[in-house]
Amino acid sequence: GEDVEQSLFLSVREGDSSVINCTYTDSSSTYLYWYKQEPGAGLQLLTYIFSNMDMKQDQRLTVLLNKKDKHLSLRIADTQTGDSAIYFCAESEGYQKVTFGTGTKLQVIP
Amino acid sequence: NAGVTQTPKFRVLKTGQSMTLLCAQDMNHEYMYWYRQDPGMGLRLIHYSVGEGTTAKGEVPDGYNVSRLKKQNFLLGLESAAPSQTSVYFCASRPPSLVYEQYFGPGTRLTVT
Repeated sequence: GEDVEQSLFLSVREGDSSVINCTYTDSSSTYLYWYKQEPGAGLQLLTYIFSNMDMKQDQRLTVLLNKKDKHLSLRIADTQTGDSAIYFCAESEGYQKVTFGTGTKLQVIP
Repeated sequence: NAGVTQTPKFRVLKTGQSMTLLCAQDMNHEYMYWYRQDPGMGLRLIHYSVGEGTTAKGEVPDGYNVSRLKKQNFLLGLESAAPSQTSVYFCASRPPSLVYEQYFGPGTRLTVT
């Protein structure tokens, strides 16, 4: 079945850039997503990218997609303490199914 | 708009007890989902519904039942709770679109002793 892999933990200093990486196995993915989960809360969609795009930028967020290597990354510029959270990569194909990664916990050190 | 709400927020059950988790959304979304979140395993889909009166099995449906009698509500039932069902349960909803912009509830933390 489909699989989405992420590293479990990332620590960065406030003001630095963060890069969270994800690999997936489903070559039929239509959309790929980044969700953010703050402590004690549900997931919130941050951004998504269509599978025929290479890059998407949204303010401090940059998403890069390498479809050949099935690699997705999320770059957060000027990381702030409020960015501390768990970030989930996800991919979907069609209407019915989305597969989430295991989540990467981002710790921002003041 | 309240968005997606879940009741209760916390619950402790003994093995063999039953309970129902309630999810409600006020966004008129067609699709609703129940996930469980366990450490190191991300989110796993338990059951989902594509409209009022319909339900379908997800990745880990065993030990759970669901009902969608009203469009705004999606109920998750545990008939005989087991310690393996200790988890955080999230409900989500979304409109019918190829883009999975799911709106999540705040979660229910369930402990089965």
